[in-house]
Amino acid sequence: ETAVFQTPNYHVTQVGNEVSFNCKQTLGHDTMYWYKQDSKKLLKIMFSYNNKQLIVNETVPRRFSPQSSDKAHLNLRIKSVEPEDSAVYLCASSLTGGGNERLFFGHGTKLSVL
Amino acid sequence: QQKVQQSPESLTVSEGAMASLNCTFSDGTSNNFRWYRQHSAKGLEVLVSIFSDGEKEEGRFTAHLNRANLHVSLHIREPQPSDSAVYLCAVSMSYNQGKLIFGQGTKLSIKP
Repeated sequence: ETAVFQTPNYHVTQVGNEVSFNCKQTLGHDTMYWYKQDSKKLLKIMFSYNNKQLIVNETVPRRFSPQSSDKAHLNLRIKSVEPEDSAVYLCASSLTGGGNERLFFGHGTKLSVL
Repeated sequence: QQKVQQSPESLTVSEGAMASLNCTFSDGTSNNFRWYRQHSAKGLEVLVSIFSDGEKEEGRFTAHLNRANLHVSLHIREPQPSDSAVYLCAVSMSYNQGKLIFGQGTKLSIKP
């Protein structure tokens, strides 16, 4: 049963536009993540937040910025999208962010940049 | 930096036959291993989590971990066509704030 909700499911846009993806979890978890899955299905972490604080910030272009209003929400904004940003963006959450914990994933937002 | 490699890249197995997927990792201090399944247009579903050497079974899914050989495998007993999906191996360390390093996936197809 889904407990991590992402919107939109799909988004098509043009180079240079700004996009924003939303993620909400109803599990009461403290930690949320954004992962990027490329066309070869490889998943890489982008960011993690614990209770609205940035914990992990992998080397991603500065046009990507996460935004957290509370621990249940973690949005992702991309200013001025590039063709290489075409991917599936997966949001996840875990209880406290400990390495032993299971991550619960949303269904993803597929971004296509024309 | 941790590297996680999966093999084979794709696998076709007949319904009812055992399916075996492999995953190697580069950091022998890793201690958290999970197998996820991803059906197209759906999120990731965790199948098995394993934290110590040996075997862990969850229904038809069994993971084998051998940290000395830097290897973790997934075996699917009596696979069905609905098991056709991409299977992802994920490795992390207990101190690493939930940061998962994923393999590139194995695309499994089950023939009726």
